[in-house]
Formats: sequence, structure tokens, C-alpha cells
Amino acid sequence: NAGVMQNPRHLVRRRGQEARLRCSPMKGHSHVYWYRQLPEEGLKFMVYLQKENIIDESGMPKERFSAEFPKEGPSILRIQQVVRGDSAAYFCASSKGRSSGEQYFGPGTRLTVT
Amino acid sequence: TQLLEQSPQFLSIQEGENLTVYCNSSSVFSSLQWYRQEPGEGPVLLVTVVTGGEVKKLKRLTFQFGDARKDSSLHITAAQPGDTGLYLCAGPGGGSNYKLTFGKGTLLTVNP
Repeated sequence: NAGVMQNPRHLVRRRGQEARLRCSPMKGHSHVYWYRQLPEEGLKFMVYLQKENIIDESGMPKERFSAEFPKEGPSILRIQQVVRGDSAAYFCASSKGRSSGEQYFGPGTRLTVT
Repeated sequence: TQLLEQSPQFLSIQEGENLTVYCNSSSVFSSLQWYRQEPGEGPVLLVTVVTGGEVKKLKRLTFQFGDARKDSSLHITAAQPGDTGLYLCAGPGGGSNYKLTFGKGTLLTVNP
């Protein structure tokens, strides 16, 4: 499967726990984007990363959320001390270059905070 | 803030009918993308339109970008149950060419 891969597909966490969401971009893509889809809302940009660098995190909540894209391995979106309002679908997209026109999305991780 | 308004929000039709859904903004976009999202899955890119007035066809789907690059439409001919899904339009926003702004989508149901 040469597409964007995300895991886990479903994640249940209790309030206060940590959530780690992983994303492996398409082969040959070095640009990764994270989006969040809240119930009744559209997809919202969170963060844009290239290998080992955060390029734009303007859409990310300032506290409890962090993202990385190490030299080796998948991109990780980490949410510490989760709250019920973090329940959402989190999507990762990748592109070959820095362009909005060629972003390909993964299947998403559905996070439920109980 | 660049916003994309999609209409209608919901559309339920019978197999074989034609339909058009719309994506509008008060802002100019350098390009617009259309995605289809099925329940429990991620958005799948259908097309990117770049030039004002551009028309692109993908089998029974016809995409048009407005002359002023502020709006787009998606027309489906002879809809089939497999066309059921959430149709999203998106474009670069926030002063960047990589940060996609999405509309809330049109949820299409095609009944057999």
C-alpha cells in the first residue's frame, strides 16, 4: 500500500491520559500536514512539518499538543492530558513538495476521550 | 480569514438523477481542490482546478472553477449509489500555499 498510513485507526483514552497518533507519508513525500475534524465542523489545519522541522504550527493548540517528524520513522502527533474536547478525527496528509494542490490524506485516527 | 461555503449541506437523490453542488467564497483562491470522504475514511482527492474558468471532467463528474477564482461547482451526471459521500472543497488559505481551508461539505446520498 503506497498511500498515507495512520495508526491506530481508533484510539480510546481516559481524561488525563496521553494520546499518540502516528502517520507514515506516501513514499517519496517529505511534507506532512495534520488536520483535525471535529463533529459538525470542517477539517482544520493544525501543523505542517518536514523531516526534523516544524514549519508551521499556527493551527495547533498552544498547550498539551505537540508534533514531530523525525529523520527516521513516522510523524507523531502527541496530545498530553487529553480532555473530552479533544475527541475528534485526526487526519494526516502528505505531499511531495510544499503545495496545497497535491496533499493526499490518510484514513485518519478517531480519538475518543472518555 | 478565507472561508468556503458549500451548498447544499445535504442532498438526497435517486439513482440516475443529475446534481450540482457549489463552493463559494468572497476571497480569491489560487486553486481549489475537491475531495470525497466516505464514512470512517479520509478525504480522497478528486481534482485540483487552478485557472479561472477551467473545466475538468472525471468520468461523470464535471468540475468548474469560476472566472474570478472565488467559486467552484461540481456536477454529477446520472448519479450512482457509489457516488454517495461527503464532498469537500478546499483551497490554500491563511496566506500560505500549503495550509488548506476546507468547506463543511455537501453530504450526498444516492438512493438505488
